Amino acid sequence: GAVVSQHPSWVICKSGTSVKIECRSLDFQATTMFWYRQFPKQSLMLMATSNEGSKATYEQGVEKDKFLINHASLTLSTLTVTSAHPEDSSFYICSAKLAGWSNQPQHFGDGTRLSIL
Amino acid sequence: AQKVTQAQTEISVVEKEDVTLDCVYETRDTTYYLFWYKQPPSGELVFLIRRNSFDEQNEISGRYSWNFQKSTSSFNFTITASQVVDSAVYFCAEEETSGSRLTFGEGTQLTVNP
Repeated sequence: GAVVSQHPSWVICKSGTSVKIECRSLDFQATTMFWYRQFPKQSLMLMATSNEGSKATYEQGVEKDKFLINHASLTLSTLTVTSAHPEDSSFYICSAKLAGWSNQPQHFGDGTRLSIL
Repeated sequence: AQKVTQAQTEISVVEKEDVTLDCVYETRDTTYYLFWYKQPPSGELVFLIRRNSFDEQNEISGRYSWNFQKSTSSFNFTITASQVVDSAVYFCAEEETSGSRLTFGEGTQLTVNP
């Protein structure tokens, strides 16, 4: 089945640091990748939709200058949390859709736990 | 706009009991998909089922069953003979086929006690 790999799975860093999270589709090409954020005991909230070769579409309330998304290839999207602060601590999870098949489900990575001290 | 409501925040049962997790959705789309995911404490999302809005047949997979009622906009999930390993947060979600936006419910924390 379709596999999405997310790295790192866990990161702790100091306030003010920028953190990059990678999302890779290992055995399929993904035209579209999605980034979600989940705070403790809450639901998953879509942050942005990333299309290969174009700018990401951000959801209302998500700062695009703080959460930089790059989707330079059909198998890799990255999310960079710039100048991270404790309130950015959360569980970030990506998903990917098979290119050319709009009725295929999203395949999720295992998520990244980000802790900002 | 899409909205998914899981009214049960937490459910606690004893092993071998049957348990039903409720899900009610709102959408303006005529074509959409409904999902259930399991999220164990480790955090990853485990895909359980996807249902097309045109397919109202109920589905059974082992101890899991799903009841889709378009008339009441509900997509309920039943676990028969629950086990401790079923303890997790369960999310219901809806996806617009037009935009591929996936909207999650708030989740139901299921605890199965031995």
